[in-house]
Amino acid sequence: GENVEQHPSTLSVQEGDSAVIKCTYSDSASNYFPWYKQELGKGPQLIIDIRSNVGEKKDQRIAVTLNKTAKHFSLHITETQPEDSAVYFCAARAGSYQLTFGKGTKLSVIP
Amino acid sequence: EPEVTQTPSHQVTQMGQEVILRCVPISNHLYFYWYRQILGQKVEFLVSFYNNEISEKSEIFDDQFSVERPDGSNFTLKIRSTKLEDSAMYFCASTEWRRGDEQYFGPGTRLTVT
Repeated sequence: GENVEQHPSTLSVQEGDSAVIKCTYSDSASNYFPWYKQELGKGPQLIIDIRSNVGEKKDQRIAVTLNKTAKHFSLHITETQPEDSAVYFCAARAGSYQLTFGKGTKLSVIP
Repeated sequence: EPEVTQTPSHQVTQMGQEVILRCVPISNHLYFYWYRQILGQKVEFLVSFYNNEISEKSEIFDDQFSVERPDGSNFTLKIRSTKLEDSAMYFCASTEWRRGDEQYFGPGTRLTVT
C-alpha cells in the first residue's frame, strides 16, 4: 500500500519568514495530495490540495508543489504569522478512497 | 460554512464495553469515512462508506468495528468490545466526491478505554 514520509517533524521559524514542509510517497498511482492543518484539540482542516495533473498551486500565502517523477510534494508558507502555528499533515490518495497520512510537522512561528 | 460535527467530544469507557461514536456529515455529502489518531501518531484510515455499504476498510477495522447510517443525517461507528489499544482520537470525515477528494474532518471524539 501507499506510504507517506514527511519531514521535518518539527520546524521553528521567525514570524515573517517562510516555512517549507516536504513529503514523499511510494505509490506511483497516487494522484491526489491534500494538506491538512491541525490545531490543538481540533480535527484536521483541509488547507490546500493538488492533483497529479498540476505541478503547483497557490492560495494566498500557501503554495504546494508536486514532482511526480521524484514522487515528492511540498507545502510552502510565506510571511508566516503566529496563527500559522499548528501541526501540518500531508496525505496521498491512490486508486482507493482512503487518504494515507504523513506523521505530521509541528510548526512553531516565533513572534 | 457547513461542517462535520461529532458527539461526544470525549468518551471514557471500561475495557469490554460497547461504545458508539456519532457523526453528522455535511448535508450534501454522500461519502463518509472514519479515521483514528493514536496520541502523537499519524492519522490512520479505518473505513469508507457509501450508499449504506462499506466501500473499503483497513486492517484495523476488524469484526469488533461496525458502521451504520441509521437515518438521513447520522453516521455512527460502533466498537463492540473495547480494548485498551482502542484509546485514540476518532475522526469522521465526509466528501461529495466519489474519488475521495476534499475530505472534511470533524473535531473528533477522544475515546479513553480504562
